[in-house]
Amino acid sequence: EDQVTQSPEALRLQEGESSSLNCSYTVSGLRGLFWYRQDPGKGPEFLFTLYSAGEEKEKERLKATLTKKESFLHITAPKPEDSATYLCAVQTSGTYKYIFGTGTRLKVLA
Amino acid sequence: GAVVSQHPSWVICKSGTSVKIECRSLDFQATTMFWYRQFPKQSLMLMATSNEGSKATYEQGVEKDKFLINHASLTLSTLTVTSAHPEDSSFYICSARDPTNTDTQYFGPGTRLTVL
Repeated sequence: EDQVTQSPEALRLQEGESSSLNCSYTVSGLRGLFWYRQDPGKGPEFLFTLYSAGEEKEKERLKATLTKKESFLHITAPKPEDSATYLCAVQTSGTYKYIFGTGTRLKVLA
Repeated sequence: GAVVSQHPSWVICKSGTSVKIECRSLDFQATTMFWYRQFPKQSLMLMATSNEGSKATYEQGVEKDKFLINHASLTLSTLTVTSAHPEDSSFYICSARDPTNTDTQYFGPGTRLTVL
């Protein structure tokens, strides 16, 4: 069965304290892996798409990487405005549907 | 980037009534839209896939007669919650597949439904 797991479930960081969020997946065939940011009461906001192992994408303080079994979202020198829930989703071969992970709730303290 | 809107952003209704939620892709045409449901502090649960001009495909366990989906144009999909009950109260989010990047879904802001 296709499965996506995110860890940790929640993370508290001091402003400027870099860290990484993990998204592990077990799927029959990976079409793409997606990272989103979701603020409370809002819809997910697209961040990155990764297609193949070794691929990396960057945007401001965020960097996403992909291996054959997992993806990491690295947050460098985070700011309080980076506080949100970060979701990863996997798309398997032959479908456009997403399988979402449970998310990581990030809180960055000033 | 691609923009998806939803209307209304929140709605309160009485038990037994029906509620319609609209999802629009504002700057692109979407042949495929998706409807999700999200409970507090939980991830998104896919309810159905909506394809323009054809019947929606529902996920296992989702009642087709309860959640009616219509995708009548390339920019509009609607979800109607029929005979709503308090257990239908939830956050409903739609997404649209960007045809210029066929794998990426862009999400609407969500609709908070409260059934009294």
